Amino acid sequence: EIVLTQSPGTLSLSPGERATLSCRASQSVSSSYLAWYQQKPGQAPRLLIYGASSRATGIPDRFSGSGSGTDFTLTISRLEPEDFAVYYCQQYGSSQTFGQGTKVEIK
Amino acid sequence: QVQLVQSGAEVKKPGASVKVSCKASGYTFTSYDINWVRQATGQGLEWMGWMNPNSGNTGYAQKFQGRVTMTRNTSISTAYMELSSLRSEDTAVYYCARGGGYYESDYWGQGTLVTVSS
Repeated sequence: EIVLTQSPGTLSLSPGERATLSCRASQSVSSSYLAWYQQKPGQAPRLLIYGASSRATGIPDRFSGSGSGTDFTLTISRLEPEDFAVYYCQQYGSSQTFGQGTKVEIK
Repeated sequence: QVQLVQSGAEVKKPGASVKVSCKASGYTFTSYDINWVRQATGQGLEWMGWMNPNSGNTGYAQKFQGRVTMTRNTSISTAYMELSSLRSEDTAVYYCARGGGYYESDYWGQGTLVTVSS
């Protein structure tokens, strides 16, 4: 099973700042089958990024994904108030697994 | 618009089984896999398995092998996830999502809370 480790566990930032979230895999994720989701309290997850770097429909361009192999990054260029949430990475190239999540909180 | 509507909350006793439904609309049900993911209170997302509604083929996470069964009724565009031998650790919100296998999950149901308590 591919284990995904996200860091940091919590990111404390102010609106307007840049957020950089990391997702490291225990082995290479084939064909960049890596997605990022946003989840707010009481809501289902929302797909942000798939294929490591493709934005899902309707996702603002302040969200971007990059990386390949075992190291992936989600970047939020300028945090908006609605971006404070928990973010999960997921690999779907070898069965499926999720990372443990990164909480982006208001500083 | 694509929608996945899940059945309501359930309370079960340890050792019982639960069956959660997920009704799809707004797209061709048999054209996309269905994923099942659960989330215990305050915890992260845990992938349980996927099903191809066209063929009925399934793939389960090793942790749930032997305890989970994913099925579908194509005539009513509904997927089902049944979990047996419930224990308190199975208390969680269960989500269905469109996508599975080699696909990301682009649409999600609203979630179904399953509580296991004696």
